[in-house]
Amino acid sequence: KQEVTQIPAALSVPEGENLVLNCSFTDSAIYNLQWFRQDPGKGLTSLLLIQSSQREQTSGRLNASLDKSSGRSTLYIAASQPGDSATYLCAVKGFQKLVFGTGTRLLVSP
Amino acid sequence: NAGVTQTPKFQVLKTGQSMTLQCAQDMNHNSMYWYRQDPGMGLRLIYYSASEGTTDKGEVPNGYNVSRLNKREFSLRLESAAPSQTSVYFCASSDQGPTVEKLFFGSGTQLSVL
Repeated sequence: KQEVTQIPAALSVPEGENLVLNCSFTDSAIYNLQWFRQDPGKGLTSLLLIQSSQREQTSGRLNASLDKSSGRSTLYIAASQPGDSATYLCAVKGFQKLVFGTGTRLLVSP
Repeated sequence: NAGVTQTPKFQVLKTGQSMTLQCAQDMNHNSMYWYRQDPGMGLRLIYYSASEGTTDKGEVPNGYNVSRLNKREFSLRLESAAPSQTSVYFCASSDQGPTVEKLFFGSGTQLSVL
């Protein structure tokens, strides 16, 4: 059974810092991995989707990498801003439906 | 520009009461989903519907029923609510193939069962 883990559970950084969020998964037989953002009281918004054949995807200040063999993905946020404060979740698509991690709650202070 | 719309946003029930959570999407998506989100547990799939007229159990279906009323609407029913069903419920939809699922989420329903 696929298990997805995100560490740390919470992260606080000053504005302007570059930061990395981690996601690990136990079964490398995946189709893709997605990173989502969740704001308080809101639903999830898909940020980046990496196919199993890809190594990384970029969107603006966000870069997500995927290493299937080691069961790891990272979300790199460059030059963080207070507006980046949210919970970030990764989700893995294998033979089952999407399996979500529990998320990293990010706070970026001005 | 509505996307996925869920109602209600908040609900308080007493143990044993029933209710239906409504979900509608205007993106002409084939697939729709119901998830619940609990602290420390991540999102867990309750039921999904791959297309109009079909529904399948997810990871935690016990205590719930669903109806795919048409392509737009997918409802979740709690027949006899229990405190263990206190959670935030999300509806989602997608229209990708089975190996590429980009989900679009509603804003959630916060349900408390006393």
